[in-house]
Amino acid sequence: GQNIDQPTEMTATEGAIVQINCTYQTSGFNGLFWYQQHAGEAPTFLSYNVLDGLEEKGRFSSFLSRSKGYSYLLLKELQMKDSASYLCAVRDSNYQLIWGAGTKLIIKP
Amino acid sequence: IAGITQAPTSQILAAGRRMTLRCTQDMRHNAMYWYRQDLGLGLRLIHYSNTAGTTGKGEVPDGYSVSRANTDDFPLTLASAVPSQTSVYFCASSDGTSDFDTQYFGPGTRLTVL
Repeated sequence: GQNIDQPTEMTATEGAIVQINCTYQTSGFNGLFWYQQHAGEAPTFLSYNVLDGLEEKGRFSSFLSRSKGYSYLLLKELQMKDSASYLCAVRDSNYQLIWGAGTKLIIKP
Repeated sequence: IAGITQAPTSQILAAGRRMTLRCTQDMRHNAMYWYRQDLGLGLRLIHYSNTAGTTGKGEVPDGYSVSRANTDDFPLTLASAVPSQTSVYFCASSDGTSDFDTQYFGPGTRLTVL
């Protein structure tokens, strides 16, 4: 079966750095996405990785290792508004997105 | 530009009733999707449409039907609602023509079936 694993919840301090991991086992791989979802709202796109390595976009970076079936989202200089759930999704051989359950990130002052 | 709109925002429905959730996008995207999101589970694909006039089944299609008569609209129908269909429903769309094919989501419909 297809599986995406992420930690259920993480806590970090304002101004710090946090790394959210995602491991996957899917039938085929055609890219990995990270989305942010604030409580009661729709998911919004953060990043896309299809090749191994690090993609940096401002305070957010995303890393991919296809051989290990592993990705992480790195958030720097955390702000209170970063409190949200972070969803990892992999596009499989049918070009459909398989979603993890999400990691709820709690930021404390 | 609204992007994707969904209606209603929320609904309480008696079991056995028929219900249609509406989804409209103004981005001229080819592909559209319906997901449900339940606590502790990832988004699960119900049905999708790669282009107007075509539809396909996702991971959890039973009890749901869709149609795609035109590019903009993609309604989801529950023919006879059951309590297990209580969920938050998200419609999404994407261009569908490139490898970097990002999905954009509507605000969601919170459905409760009693």
